[in-house]
Amino acid sequence: SSELTQDPAVSVALGQTVRITCQGDSLRSYHAGWYRQRPGQAPVLVVYHRNNRPSGIPDRFSGSNSGNTASLTITGAQAEDEADYYCSSRDNSGNPVAFGGGTKLTV
Amino acid sequence: QVQLVQSGAEVKKPGASVKVSCKATGYTFTDYFVHWVRQAPGQGLEWMGVISPRSGDAKYAQRFQGTVTMTADTSTSIVSMDLSRLRSEDTAVYYCARDSATGAFWSGHMDVWGKGTTVIVSS
Repeated sequence: SSELTQDPAVSVALGQTVRITCQGDSLRSYHAGWYRQRPGQAPVLVVYHRNNRPSGIPDRFSGSNSGNTASLTITGAQAEDEADYYCSSRDNSGNPVAFGGGTKLTV
Repeated sequence: QVQLVQSGAEVKKPGASVKVSCKATGYTFTDYFVHWVRQAPGQGLEWMGVISPRSGDAKYAQRFQGTVTMTADTSTSIVSMDLSRLRSEDTAVYYCARDSATGAFWSGHMDVWGKGTTVIVSS
């Protein structure tokens, strides 16, 4: 299947740790990427190739993979982390790239 | 700095075509693949396709085969996305985004995004 499944919404208290997950068969073969999207803005890559961060992304963002599940962990969530988060990965089925449905994070 | 600058908003009638452009600045245009992703109002992200600015080769998502064409102009560092036979369901924000990998292969991870171009399809 080319689908990536995310929980629609997750909440976390300020300063606490939150994990956002993404499930799909393609994750057994490919690393996930994670994007943060604030309202009215373009997505921003926060983690890719399992646990690489682009420059400028705080180290409180980390990624991991296990079987068909990828996770984005925010350690010490800040108010500015409130946003929608999307996972994505390559895929060998119909479409070469798939996005998850997104998780709305409330801090 | 590295930027992708997109063209302005468009309003089109059903059945028409739209062309959205994306100008790359601050990096070597031919070194990175460019993706197109769209987002309908209140919805998630949808991958449309990817193009190599170096070769001009493009790969499209299945649902857009036959209606989308992506091109690259190395003289202007502009990538364009042409979507034809527009329907109301094509109303969305269209983003161009640079792939994070350099060289002959793309990773699917997009590290630089344009601000988006709103396309409204309405009679």
